[in-house]
Amino acid sequence: EAQVTQNPRYLITVTGKKLTVTCSQNMNHEYMSWYRQDPGLGLRQIYYSMNVEVTDKGDVPEGYKVSRKEKRNFPLILESPSPNQTSLYFCASSFRLGTSVPRNEQFFGPGTRLTVL
Amino acid sequence: SQQGEEDPQALSIQEGENATMNCSYKTSINNLQWYRQNSGRGLVHLILIRSNEREKHSGRLRVTLDTSKKSSSLLITASRAADTASYFCATDSPGMAGGTSYGKLTFGQGTILTVHP
Repeated sequence: EAQVTQNPRYLITVTGKKLTVTCSQNMNHEYMSWYRQDPGLGLRQIYYSMNVEVTDKGDVPEGYKVSRKEKRNFPLILESPSPNQTSLYFCASSFRLGTSVPRNEQFFGPGTRLTVL
Repeated sequence: SQQGEEDPQALSIQEGENATMNCSYKTSINNLQWYRQNSGRGLVHLILIRSNEREKHSGRLRVTLDTSKKSSSLLITASRAADTASYFCATDSPGMAGGTSYGKLTFGQGTILTVHP
């Protein structure tokens, strides 16, 4: 089954304790992205990656790191989490748009609800 | 400010009625997409309309795009209680190199649709 998986789904942690949220897709997508969703603010992009070893900042990258060592995985790292990073996080993937790929709808993971105390 | 702004923020209707949601955006786009999100779950792609298209249908969904007004609308006909969800528009804007899309989507804040049985 084609899907995007995230782990963990729920996480409660304390300020300053490093954590990683994993994201994996099995659709051979080049493009992957992380979003956070907060009430009244919609989805905001944190980081994205257009292919292996190619990452770039989104709209709200402060306090986050990512890496793309393999095509299928795109982990989100919080080196020193703070309470303002309490949020619902989504990973998404898609094909890169090109002449042979007319659509670039994104496929979303189920979400990770993070609480930082 | 947000690239995609949905209107209304919340919509409450009875089963069988039509639901119309609007989205406005600010910059030029390659395409505009609509996504649905059930409470706390991942987003699911509904429909994509390209910048050179004016109207598109998919089942009970009808999407229009007016690039001169930088706006789109999503119509759900004969709504059902199961349509209760949040609906987001997302714009895919030209990237850095010659108008090619890099798959970066910018989401609006969403419209919360409630359909009463």
